[in-house]
Amino acid sequence: QLTQSPSFLSASVGDSVTITCRASQDIGLYLAWYQQKPGKAPRLLIYGASTLQSGVPSRFSGRRSGAEFTLTINSLQSEDYATYYCHQLNTVPPGIRFGQGTRLDI
Amino acid sequence: EVQLVESGGGLVQPGGSLRLSCAASGFNFSNFSMYWVRQAPGKGLEYLTAITPNGGTTLYRDSVQFRFTVSRDNSKNMLYLQLGSLRVEDTAVYYCVRRTHFDRRDYNMAFDLWGQGTLVTVSS
Repeated sequence: QLTQSPSFLSASVGDSVTITCRASQDIGLYLAWYQQKPGKAPRLLIYGASTLQSGVPSRFSGRRSGAEFTLTINSLQSEDYATYYCHQLNTVPPGIRFGQGTRLDI
Repeated sequence: EVQLVESGGGLVQPGGSLRLSCAASGFNFSNFSMYWVRQAPGKGLEYLTAITPNGGTTLYRDSVQFRFTVSRDNSKNMLYLQLGSLRVEDTAVYYCVRRTHFDRRDYNMAFDLWGQGTLVTVSS
């Protein structure tokens, strides 16, 4: 399982927020983060738990501590209000799954 | 332009079938594993199926195994998803997705290219 928290988050422009995903077993660094805005396809933010995808602002960062993964957004901008998903993508068991999502609201 | 464009969604009755297509352009399609991911209205993302670059291996989540079939035609840069025995709970936006390995480290991979999605509605 991949447990993402919180489900909802409310913050102001300029704030910093952290979203957490906990894997039920060791998944190494096989974790990515995506941002999705209403009516749009997800956008890749981070892969390999901490590597920023090209073109993604540096206020986004990812970190791993054992089976716990975090996405931190520093200095929130208005365009950051969206839903965020973590994504476990091991090609062999434990397999591929998404977290439940975190909706970030103003 | 590098893109994926899905088509084939629509309204279908429970028990019916539908074939989704995904046209890839702007990249060497035959080099990439491809996936289908869906999203029910107001819900999260759900991985459905994967297919290796040459189409030789396919994987499915349990709930769609034996009902859905993924295939590809590398000569046409096309990915397909045949949906069968459809249920109301299969109603969702279906996304065609590319998986990219960014470097030699196996864990440095992700779903980096998504189509715009095609809506499948299963209802009587």
